[in-house]
Amino acid sequence: QAVLTQPSSLSASPGASASLTCTLRSGINVGTYKIYWYQQKPGSPPQYLLRYNSDSDKQQGSGVPSRFSGSKDASANAGILLISGLQSEDEADYYCMIWHSSAWVFGGGTKLTVL
Amino acid sequence: QVQLQESGPGLVKPSQTLSLTCTVSGGSISSGSHYWSWIRQPAGKGLEWIGRIYTSGSTNYNPSLQSRVTLSVDTSKNQFSLRLTSVTAADTAVYYCAKQDVGDDAFNIWGQGTMVTVSS
Repeated sequence: QAVLTQPSSLSASPGASASLTCTLRSGINVGTYKIYWYQQKPGSPPQYLLRYNSDSDKQQGSGVPSRFSGSKDASANAGILLISGLQSEDEADYYCMIWHSSAWVFGGGTKLTVL
Repeated sequence: QVQLQESGPGLVKPSQTLSLTCTVSGGSISSGSHYWSWIRQPAGKGLEWIGRIYTSGSTNYNPSLQSRVTLSVDTSKNQFSLRLTSVTAADTAVYYCAKQDVGDDAFNIWGQGTMVTVSS
């Protein structure tokens, strides 16, 4: 079982909100990890969006709009990237990342379609 | 603003060694506290962290690749490098170099990536 699992795809309408999940493998407690999120558009490298550990320990990437935010769902053992007021330019792949067992681990990515 | 640029052969034969260099511009590789990483992405697939090197030369490697990977840094050239031995078709990917600030740990600056194909 992968360390981080993300849904392969998600669709949402312009102006709506999208909640992208990053589920940690059973036995790995989301409460003890900082979750990093990246956005990648075709033909470009990933861009750092934000880091979320708790409401008192979070960081927005430089120039990243506030409509991108992070949270955790302890009951689902998952990190969440919430994108509000979806715009066509938000259509991209989104990756979560944690530091686990002395290595950076990425989720498989979610392709967000805005239509 | 620091910028990163990958360079190296775009084609490597199976069983040979893949060697890539990342050139840092807009700042000194040895100033501040930074980690310099390599990350790869096969076509249409997700990201895989390969390893990182600190400006002191200390390294961390992905356990899945550790036996084949060596990272090094050349402060005189403001570069850091990746060597991956005994390559197979599974190593075909876009290879990115990226920078992290110690204590922050986000990959906040990325190179544009370089495509490496392993084929005879």
